[in-house]
Amino acid sequence: DTAVSQTPKYLVTQMGNDKSIKCEQNLGHDTMYWYKQDSKKFLKIMFSYNNKELIINETVPNRFSPKSPDKAHLNLHINSLELGDSAVYFCASSQGRTIWQFFGPGTRLTVL
Amino acid sequence: DQQVKQNSPSLSVQEGRISILNCDYTNSMFDYFLWYKKYPAEGPTFLISISSIKDKNEDGRFTVFLNKSAKHLSLHIVPSQPGDSAVYFCAAAGSARQLTFGSGTQLTVLP
Repeated sequence: DTAVSQTPKYLVTQMGNDKSIKCEQNLGHDTMYWYKQDSKKFLKIMFSYNNKELIINETVPNRFSPKSPDKAHLNLHINSLELGDSAVYFCASSQGRTIWQFFGPGTRLTVL
Repeated sequence: DQQVKQNSPSLSVQEGRISILNCDYTNSMFDYFLWYKKYPAEGPTFLISISSIKDKNEDGRFTVFLNKSAKHLSLHIVPSQPGDSAVYFCAAAGSARQLTFGSGTQLTVLP
């Protein structure tokens, strides 16, 4: 059983399109995160939700909109995709706002 | 401005020898440090951590050392095994418990 799962694993799309990445965790955690791994390989926090409420929103273009329908899911919707959005996006979860985070396998987004 | 730096993008060691991975940080407000391990096509998985009130934490073959005055930590793997080949990320957190990651070091353990 996968603890934190993401779909799709790979996403190739054209500039200007809108796409979504889904994340689900079956650990019973109440906090979920989205990270972006950029071309320099740094993992950077984008958003965090606790009990479906946004608690961290780093400086991310408003083309990125997270949606948390329930505690087990945190989806990432991206509008008007740009070349610079190409990256690997990781979802993570934890119980409470803690450093002990469990990561999903990542979604590699390529914008052409 | 990168607050957590891993200056060695790659490291190769022979099986059975010691692997030493290094990490430097700049923010003196960080009080917890972690190492994550990542295999290809998988997410990072937690390996070992250390609180700023300690200078050493050991778990089996893995030991993390913290030098607060130098703002430096290192991960020692003894003995290194081929299955240890992975990317190792250093991460740090302050009171807000928000993780700041380094760029990773690719460790290759040669049989």
